[in-house]
Amino acid sequence: DTGVSQNPRHKITKRGQNVTFRCDPISEHNRLYWYRQTLGQGPEFLTYFQNEAQLEKSRLLSDRFSAERPKGSFSTLEIQRTEQGDSAMYLCASYSGGADTEAFFGQGTRLTVV
Amino acid sequence: DAKTTQPTSMDCAEGRAANLPCNHSTISGNEYVYWYRQIHSQGPQYIIHGLKNNETNEMASLIITEDRKSSTLILPHATLRDTAVYYCIVRGLTSGTYKYIFGTGTRLKVLA
Repeated sequence: DTGVSQNPRHKITKRGQNVTFRCDPISEHNRLYWYRQTLGQGPEFLTYFQNEAQLEKSRLLSDRFSAERPKGSFSTLEIQRTEQGDSAMYLCASYSGGADTEAFFGQGTRLTVV
Repeated sequence: DAKTTQPTSMDCAEGRAANLPCNHSTISGNEYVYWYRQIHSQGPQYIIHGLKNNETNEMASLIITEDRKSSTLILPHATLRDTAVYYCIVRGLTSGTYKYIFGTGTRLKVLA
């Protein structure tokens, strides 16, 4: 399968711990999004990469959150000092072009902070 | 904020066409209408998109009104597996990126 891959699929962590999620986009896609989704809501935009450059960050992305995309391939999203409010599904999507090119989403990483 | 308005929920009988409406009265000339769906606990799945012409693919048809202020997604023969939340999204250049701004979507339930 050459779709978007996210790992882990599920993560349970204690409040205050750091967690890191990984996204492997479709190989020829140079653009990548991270989204967060809480129960009953649509996904909310977090950040956007074009190649290795992080070009936009939502104000939802507090200073405890950091995302990287070294060498423009896979991406990681790290949350430091997790809080219960960080419990959500974290989604990654990739695409190759402009407004006329659809993005493909991964299956997400479900984070539960206890 | 999302630029679309959708009904919160709809039911459809299995085997019948499901017609999901979407209003996007503030759409700009270079913005596309995209449809995704999300089955419980999975990532959003791309369905179809269009600019001004009607579009059809193996999953669905997209009908966009001439003034582009509304559209309808048609699933021609709904099955139980089409039960999902359907998102209508207007996508254009926002703060320098072509990101998707999701609303809360329409929860479609296909009934046996």
